[in-house]
Amino acid sequence: KQEVTQIPAALSVPEGENLVLNCSFTDSAIYNLQWFRQDPGKGLTSLLLIQSSQREQTSGRLNASLDKSSGRSTLYIAASQPGDSATYLCAVNDYKLSFGAGTTVTVRA
Amino acid sequence: DAGVIQSPRHEVTEMGQEVTLRCKPISGHNSLFWYRQTMMRGLELLIYFNNNVPIDDSGMPEDRFSAKMPNASFSTLKIQPSEPRDSAVYFCASRPQTGGASGELFFGEGSRLTVL
Repeated sequence: KQEVTQIPAALSVPEGENLVLNCSFTDSAIYNLQWFRQDPGKGLTSLLLIQSSQREQTSGRLNASLDKSSGRSTLYIAASQPGDSATYLCAVNDYKLSFGAGTTVTVRA
Repeated sequence: DAGVIQSPRHEVTEMGQEVTLRCKPISGHNSLFWYRQTMMRGLELLIYFNNNVPIDDSGMPEDRFSAKMPNASFSTLKIQPSEPRDSAVYFCASRPQTGGASGELFFGEGSRLTVL
């Protein structure tokens, strides 16, 4: 069974600092990995999808890396803003998505 | 496209009552997933369908839970009888046929269920 772990569970940074969110998974036989954002009481918004054949994917201030062999992905958010405050979820797709518990980010103005 | 549409958005019911949650996937998507989110357990997959056929229902917690997908544009998740421990947010997600298993999942806004 796929196990997905996200570290840290929570993170608080001042505005402007770069964010580094980590995700690890136990079974490397995956199709892809997806990063989501969830605001309190809201649904999941897809941020980045990185296929198993890719090493990296970028969208604006967001960059996700994938090292399938070591079972790791990292989400970088550059120059954080208060609007980036949310919970970030990593989901590994081995046909069905298995989610980590998330990292709750607070960006202080 | 309107995205994945779920209803109701909020449901409050009494223990023992039947609850039906509904989902309309994005047109052209042939895989549909039901997830449950709680503070204690996070996001858990309950069941998923491919081309309207249930593929894996191993996440369905008990016989009180059932899910159907009578056609490509509609799915229901039913809980009968409901219990307080079923209180959670239930999400529906769909995936396009193009790209197969490597396609991106799109989530609805969720149905927040409270069982008193």
